[in-house]
Amino acid sequence: GAVVSQHPSRVICKSGTSVKIECRSLDFQATTMFWYRQFPKQSLMLMATSNEGSKATYEQGVEKDKFLINHASLTLSTLTVTSAHPEDSSFYICSARDADPRGSSYEQYFGPGTRLTVT
Amino acid sequence: GQNIDQPTEMTATEGAIVQINCTYQTSGFNGLFWYQQHAGEAPTFLSYNVLDGLEEKGRFSSFLSRSKGYSYLLLKELQMKDSASYLCAVIDSNYQLIWGAGTKLIIKP
Repeated sequence: GAVVSQHPSRVICKSGTSVKIECRSLDFQATTMFWYRQFPKQSLMLMATSNEGSKATYEQGVEKDKFLINHASLTLSTLTVTSAHPEDSSFYICSARDADPRGSSYEQYFGPGTRLTVT
Repeated sequence: GQNIDQPTEMTATEGAIVQINCTYQTSGFNGLFWYQQHAGEAPTFLSYNVLDGLEEKGRFSSFLSRSKGYSYLLLKELQMKDSASYLCAVIDSNYQLIWGAGTKLIIKP
């Protein structure tokens, strides 16, 4: 099956620093990747949709200058949380959609998530 | 606006059957997913329905009625490991995935 990896799985950083999270599709090509944030006991919140080779589309209320997304290849997207603050502490999850139009029925394959703690 | 409704929380007994409902109002419909999410983990795929009817996969079944904007996930022979949140998500006419808030299922011995 389709596998998506995410790195790191956990990260603790100091307030004001930047953190980069990588999302990779390991055995398929993903033209589209999605970045979600999930606070404790809440549902997934879509932050942005990332298309390979073009600018990401951010959801309303998500600061594009704070959450930098780069989707440079069909297997890699990165999310950089710039000038992180304690309120950015959350569970960040990426997902990828298969580029093959014949497959997946638009299913999204999720990475294992990254737990970010900003102190 | 687009809306997906599912109960916030349900409780069931080990070995029993539970049905989690999902109703949706979206701009167009191109399929409905059910995902399972354990606390602190990413969602995992359970089922996909695009045509009306029941899809059975082991202990889990998913039903869809497009005319009613309704789906349910049926879990049989409940096990303690089934305690998780169950997320309903619909693909709209723009092929965007619209997520429900999830149903937390608590299994008691």
